[in-house]
Amino acid sequence: AQTVTQSQPEMSVQEAETVTLSCTYDTSESDYYLFWYKQPPSRQMILVIRQEAYKQQNATENRFSVNFQKAAKSFSLKISDSQLGDAAMYFCASNNAGNMLTFGGGTRLMVKP
Amino acid sequence: DAGVIQSPRHEVTEMGQEVTLRCKPISGHDYLFWYRQTMMRGLELLIYFNNNVPIDDSGMPEDRFSAKMPNASFSTLKIQPSEPRDSAVYFCASTAEDRENEKLFFGSGTQLSVL
Repeated sequence: AQTVTQSQPEMSVQEAETVTLSCTYDTSESDYYLFWYKQPPSRQMILVIRQEAYKQQNATENRFSVNFQKAAKSFSLKISDSQLGDAAMYFCASNNAGNMLTFGGGTRLMVKP
Repeated sequence: DAGVIQSPRHEVTEMGQEVTLRCKPISGHDYLFWYRQTMMRGLELLIYFNNNVPIDDSGMPEDRFSAKMPNASFSTLKIQPSEPRDSAVYFCASTAEDRENEKLFFGSGTQLSVL
């Protein structure tokens, strides 16, 4: 079974600063994907970024980037130049060949103006 | 495409009543998932379908919960009888068997309140 752990229930960042959200996972699969989803108050789940485990290069999407450490089973999300609209719950998730996503418990990100 | 469509957006019912949640996946997607989100347990996978066939229902909490997918464009999650502890947000999500673009698309969820 897969497990995903987010050790930070809440994080706070000043607008325009950088913040890193932590995630660790445990899987016995060799082929898997890792994801970060954002859930604003509207409750819509929005895919932020995706990483293929077989790729060593860290994924980036504009202000969002990941630090993927496969041996350590760590997958952190870095948000640069934080904006007020980044305030939300962030969920880390992993899947396997069965396409089932396992989610972490989430981190609530607050952005201070 | 309009994305994954769920209805209703909100449902308030009384304990003991039957509740039916509905989902229309994205056209062409052959996987459909039902998730439940609560403060205490986070996001839990209840059941998922592949090509309309239930593959894994080990997350369904008990026999009061049932899910069907009669065709590729429609799925239901039914709770009968409902209980206050079933109160949660229920998400439907879909994806396609495409390893190059593997993404899960979520609906807007149904907020269920059982009084």
